[in-house]
Amino acid sequence: NAGVTQTPKFQVLKTGQSMTLQCAQDMNHEYMSWYRQDPGMGLRLIHYSVGAGITDQGEVPNGYNVSRSTTEDFPLRLLSAAPSQTSVYFCASSYSQWATINEQFFGPGTRLTVL
Amino acid sequence: RKEVEQDPGPFNVPEGATVAFNCTYSNSASQSFFWYRQDCRKEPKLLMSVYSSGNEDGRFTAQLNRASQYISLLIRDSKLSDSATYLCVVNMDTGRRALTFGSGTRLQVQP
Repeated sequence: NAGVTQTPKFQVLKTGQSMTLQCAQDMNHEYMSWYRQDPGMGLRLIHYSVGAGITDQGEVPNGYNVSRSTTEDFPLRLLSAAPSQTSVYFCASSYSQWATINEQFFGPGTRLTVL
Repeated sequence: RKEVEQDPGPFNVPEGATVAFNCTYSNSASQSFFWYRQDCRKEPKLLMSVYSSGNEDGRFTAQLNRASQYISLLIRDSKLSDSATYLCVVNMDTGRRALTFGSGTRLQVQP
C-alpha cells in the first residue's frame, strides 16, 4: 500500500494563478480531508469528504474548492492564488466517516509558495 | 482564546530525562483526544489516543483531566529519536466530524 500520496511536493505560483493539488489513497478510506499548516497556527481544516460525492467546508474554506468523484481521489483546487495561501498543505484519510474515532493518515504534504 | 492550546517550547532536555507536556482545550463537550508526533518537515503521525482512565505505551503515558479540560503527555527516559513536535488533537464535537489541532510543542533531546 502506498498509503496517502500527494503531488506535487513543492509548487511556486504567481498571484492570480490557479492550480490543483492532488491527493490519493489506496486504503479504501471513506473519510478524506485537507489541512493547511502555518507557523504557530497548527493544522486548520479546509474541506473534508465523508464519501464519494459528498464534501463539506471546514474552518478555512475560502479560496479553495474540492470534489470527490471516487473513493480514492480528493483534489484541492486553488481558484486564484493569493500570498496568504502560502502554506504547507496536508491531505489525510481515515477508515470511517467518524474520523474523530479512527486514526488519520496523512500524506507527505505540498509546500506552496505564492509570490 | 485558541480552542486547543499548547506551550510551543522548545523543551530542551538531556537524554534519559523525563519530560511532560500539557494541553488545554476549550470545549467541555469534547469527546476524543490524541497525541500526534510530527518530525521536521514531515507529516503528522498518530502517537497515541488518550483515554479517560489514562493509558501507557512503553515510555509514553497520556492522561486526561476532564474537570480541568487538559490532557498531558509524559515521556520517560528520553531518546534522541524523541526529538520532534508533539501535537495535541481534540475532537471538539462541533458536528463537523473533524479534529482540532494544537500548534504543537517542540521537544529537542540532547546527547
